[in-house]
Amino acid sequence: ELKVEQNPLFLSMQEGKNYTIYCNYSTTSDRLYWYRQDPGKSLESLFVLLSNGAVKQEGRLMASLDTKARLSTLHITAAVHDLSATYFCAVDTNGNQFYFGTGTSLTVIP
Amino acid sequence: GAGVSQSPSNKVTEKGKDVELRCDPISGHTALYWYRQSLGQGLEFLIYFQGNSAPDKSGLPSDRFSAERTGGSVSTLTIQRTQQEDSAVYLCASTGGYYGYTFGSGTRLTVV
Repeated sequence: ELKVEQNPLFLSMQEGKNYTIYCNYSTTSDRLYWYRQDPGKSLESLFVLLSNGAVKQEGRLMASLDTKARLSTLHITAAVHDLSATYFCAVDTNGNQFYFGTGTSLTVIP
Repeated sequence: GAGVSQSPSNKVTEKGKDVELRCDPISGHTALYWYRQSLGQGLEFLIYFQGNSAPDKSGLPSDRFSAERTGGSVSTLTIQRTQQEDSAVYLCASTGGYYGYTFGSGTRLTVV
């Protein structure tokens, strides 16, 4: 079974700092997705990465995909409090289901 | 509709009772998924429907869980004889291609 690992699981960072969340997966895939979940809310799609070397940016977040290394990163630049949430990566290998990572709970401290 | 609609948003039920959770996917989306999320945990896959194909039920945790999708659209997840460990948020998602899932707002189930 495909395994998707995120690290760190918990991240507390100060406003204005940069940090990277890592998503490793155990089998070949060209499709990786990042989602954001606020407490008590559902999941919101952030990025769709569909090929090796894909890079997407939205505001202070940038996601990239290295399919050879089976690694995706979510980079946070100059964090602000509004970014506090749980971030999930998900991998699609066969179009049948997504395999989700365990999530990274991000807290941005003023 | 414009998004994935789930109902009810909250459900409190007594242990041993049956519950039905409903999901109305985005119009035209052929694939529909049910996931379960326990408090502070990740997402657990339950079941997947794709068009008229037989559903992938590999994630259903026990035979108390079943789901159907009528007319390729609305889906109902049924939990029979609920147990306290069934308490969780049940999320439905649909997709029409490679651009990821769109999730509903979920049903928070509490078994007392």
